[in-house]
Amino acid sequence: EADIYQTPRYLVIGTGKKITLECSQTMGHDKMYWYQQDPGMELHLIHYSYGVNSTEKGDLSSESTVSRIRTEHFPLTLESARPSHTSQYLCASSGGLGFRAFFGQGTRLTVV
Amino acid sequence: DQQVKQNSPSLSVQEGRISILNCDYTNSMFDYFLWYKKYPAEGPTFLISISSIKDKNEDGRFTVFLNKSAKHLSLHIVPSQPGDSAVYFCAARGTQGAQKLVFGQGTRLTINP
Repeated sequence: EADIYQTPRYLVIGTGKKITLECSQTMGHDKMYWYQQDPGMELHLIHYSYGVNSTEKGDLSSESTVSRIRTEHFPLTLESARPSHTSQYLCASSGGLGFRAFFGQGTRLTVV
Repeated sequence: DQQVKQNSPSLSVQEGRISILNCDYTNSMFDYFLWYKKYPAEGPTFLISISSIKDKNEDGRFTVFLNKSAKHLSLHIVPSQPGDSAVYFCAARGTQGAQKLVFGQGTRLTINP
């Protein structure tokens, strides 16, 4: 249904490693979002972007960083992964007059 | 301060019966309310929405009701099918800036054969 893609789907990585979670959409949406979700909990917004070169922190504090150099691409980076970063990370986009957010399939990150 | 709340973490319903999922919110400035369905290890998929100026929206087996005075909305699924078993998230859209979606905690719906 939606043209938004996240890679990798699953990632197990050691403490202290740098990781980048990729998110791309082909719908030309101006707004993009990163949510973090733990099992049984709500989705927490950690980053969002209005458009190219615009990024903002979300409602939940996160040690990750994001960039928006191209409209279609919104990668999330963790400079030094820790076990507390273990979670599911969901990327979404919305645009134009539409109110729906389209989600990617998510990346389940496990830091050991 | 949680602006969108789903107070039932789980719900079990017999196949063919009606499933009713509830959601409460505190911010009267939300302009759209949405329901998403989520399977484990997948991203949420959009199910149905309602504008704050309406009180009902129907799409096939799914109907969403909005009671603005009570700041309450509900999702009705009838008849319930085994494939409906998933976690359902209620979300509300803010009217300012990036029009962020605020999500509830989700309700795990299980449809029993």
